[in-house]
Amino acid sequence: DAGITQSPRYKITETGRQVTLMCHQTWSHSYMFWYRQDLGHGLRLIYYSAAADITDKGEVPDGYVVSRSKTENFPLTLESATRSQTSVYFCASTGQATDTQYFGPGTRLTVL
Amino acid sequence: AQSVAQPEDQVNVAEGNPLTVKCTYSVSGNPYLFWYVQYPNRGLQFLLKYITGDNLVKGSYGFEAEFNKSQTSFHLKKPSALVSDSALYFCAVRDSGATNKLIFGTGTLLAVQP
Repeated sequence: DAGITQSPRYKITETGRQVTLMCHQTWSHSYMFWYRQDLGHGLRLIYYSAAADITDKGEVPDGYVVSRSKTENFPLTLESATRSQTSVYFCASTGQATDTQYFGPGTRLTVL
Repeated sequence: AQSVAQPEDQVNVAEGNPLTVKCTYSVSGNPYLFWYVQYPNRGLQFLLKYITGDNLVKGSYGFEAEFNKSQTSFHLKKPSALVSDSALYFCAVRDSGATNKLIFGTGTLLAVQP
């Protein structure tokens, strides 16, 4: 089905471990985004990408790494997870023909 | 810097009554404004947007929003609330420049009592 998907939907990990969250969209949107949602903060932008091989930092990039080798995929990696990275992570995408961002279902990450 | 504010953490309304969820913004230039809704354990769903044109924007599920440039507001409204409207609502503004980034408010929880 067309759309934007995220995997896994739920993840529990331990402090210091590396974790990768996956995001895949089928619209060939050029722009993709990673947000984290925390109570009292709304959604905060972690990283975004304007096209394949073009990425840039958002508001809260520390501790995260992204890559975008293909237009449809935008993985987010926590190189050494910390408890403060416990959050719900959302991926979104938008294209040149639309002003609207479309969101994936989210990944709930717990770091113990 | 661009920003949005949602002054109410929670709005309570009785089913059948009109509802308003408030949003104010601060931008340089013309604002691109959005409303999203989030149901429990779900992603954000687009409701409506203002880019240009008519100040009253109609969106999904019977929602509408009024753009007021002099008050820098973009309040979300619905004439008659449903229990199923209970959710978390986010206002957002598109960042200046050509990045398509959105800046979100902190969200307002709408609770509709039967």
